[in-house]
Amino acid sequence: ETGVTQSPTHLIKTRGQQVTLRCSSQSGHNTVSWYQQALGQGPQFIFQYYREEENGRGNFPPRFSGLQFPNYSSELNVNALELDDSALYLCASSLGSGPNEKLFFGSGTQLSVL
Amino acid sequence: AQSVTQLGSHVSVSEGALVLLRCNYSSSVPPYLFWYVQYPNQGLQLLLKYTTGATLVKGINGFEAEFKKSETSFHLTKPSAHMSDAAEYFCAVRFNDYKLSFGAGTTVTVRA
Repeated sequence: ETGVTQSPTHLIKTRGQQVTLRCSSQSGHNTVSWYQQALGQGPQFIFQYYREEENGRGNFPPRFSGLQFPNYSSELNVNALELDDSALYLCASSLGSGPNEKLFFGSGTQLSVL
Repeated sequence: AQSVTQLGSHVSVSEGALVLLRCNYSSSVPPYLFWYVQYPNQGLQLLLKYTTGATLVKGINGFEAEFKKSETSFHLTKPSAHMSDAAEYFCAVRFNDYKLSFGAGTTVTVRA
């Protein structure tokens, strides 16, 4: 049990729709990262938020956006869904954003785009 | 370009046999190195990590890994496999401050 919870656990959307995924960080953690894990692949970094500001982004288009709230919970928003967006989306929280920080992962949201 | 490579997408071992999972990275600067395990329908759990210091790192569940700078490798081993070790294993590297770069993963099955 990592203390990181994600909702919903599963979601089905159709192409072109918008989706919001939610993550509740472990208590006291001020940093959250989001990763996309396509079937049969390793997780790919989407972006990271530190104290409500985006402080790093991977190779994902602008239709992937995020928010981090004062209580350090966060959201991942994806607009204009494409079939290739079907994946497991993982969030991870940590006490800080440094390289030595341990990440605590949630169990993920499985998104299917039809 | 910086990258992480896991050799072998699937490894099958007998219960009690050695588990060896291979990971190589490409970087001009020694990065921070991690191994994670993922059980079905679960998130990632940290097995062990190397940041600085001793190059042989011991982790949870009897796993260990050795950082070899000259070979740019960080292979994961466990002397004796248990049925509960069946899972997917990911090598990950931190090349900069904010993101982990993961390998494609190795699925381990354990035969009774």
